[in-house]
Amino acid sequence: QQQVKQSPQSLIVQKGGISIINCAYENTAFDYFPWYQQFPGKGPALLIAIRPDVSEKKEGRFTISFNKSAKQFSLHIMDSQPGDSATYFCAASVGETSGSRLTFGEGTQLTVNP
Amino acid sequence: NAGVTQTPKFQVLKTGQSMTLQCAQDMNHNSMYWYRQDPGMGLRLIYYSASEGTTDKGEVPNGYNVSRLNKREFSLRLESAAPSQTSVYFCASSDRQLLFYGYTFGSGTRLTVV
Repeated sequence: QQQVKQSPQSLIVQKGGISIINCAYENTAFDYFPWYQQFPGKGPALLIAIRPDVSEKKEGRFTISFNKSAKQFSLHIMDSQPGDSATYFCAASVGETSGSRLTFGEGTQLTVNP
Repeated sequence: NAGVTQTPKFQVLKTGQSMTLQCAQDMNHNSMYWYRQDPGMGLRLIYYSASEGTTDKGEVPNGYNVSRLNKREFSLRLESAAPSQTSVYFCASSDRQLLFYGYTFGSGTRLTVV
């Protein structure tokens, strides 16, 4: 049972375009929603995260949008660059302290063409 | 460099063989985790250790055992490897507020069971 569902599985975007990845969750107890970025041969790394008390968080070209009533959240990458080509994972957990267990989505492989 | 170190990086096992994946972190983190990554399935939690001296099952614990040897080290053991355990295994650690720091992942162990 996948508690966090992510789409699309793969995405191809032209340089300068907007990349949008969506996630939906089932567990209403989730209260921490991060996005991780993974390059080939590396482990995932935290990109940006949000709590459900805000609807949007922006860090540079990366924005998380959160819709609590729909139980959905998304990652927007503005002005996408070839260096953004990676696999992106959404995740969720109950709590955001040491020991909280992250449940990950299936992942989206993003390719940004030059 | 500070971080999470996993050994080995690659391993091929025959069905029925046993092995231990090693993980060590030097960030004085309290919590450590083992995930497996499979195409189209994201990262799935195998076992975790919220603090030294405790271990708990995650989403897919069957066929695995773990040992939290001390605060730094968290090992994953496959007693009798099966082809279904062919995967990339990631160890991670965490401490403090995940909103800002997230999990720190190792670079992974690619395991093939033939």
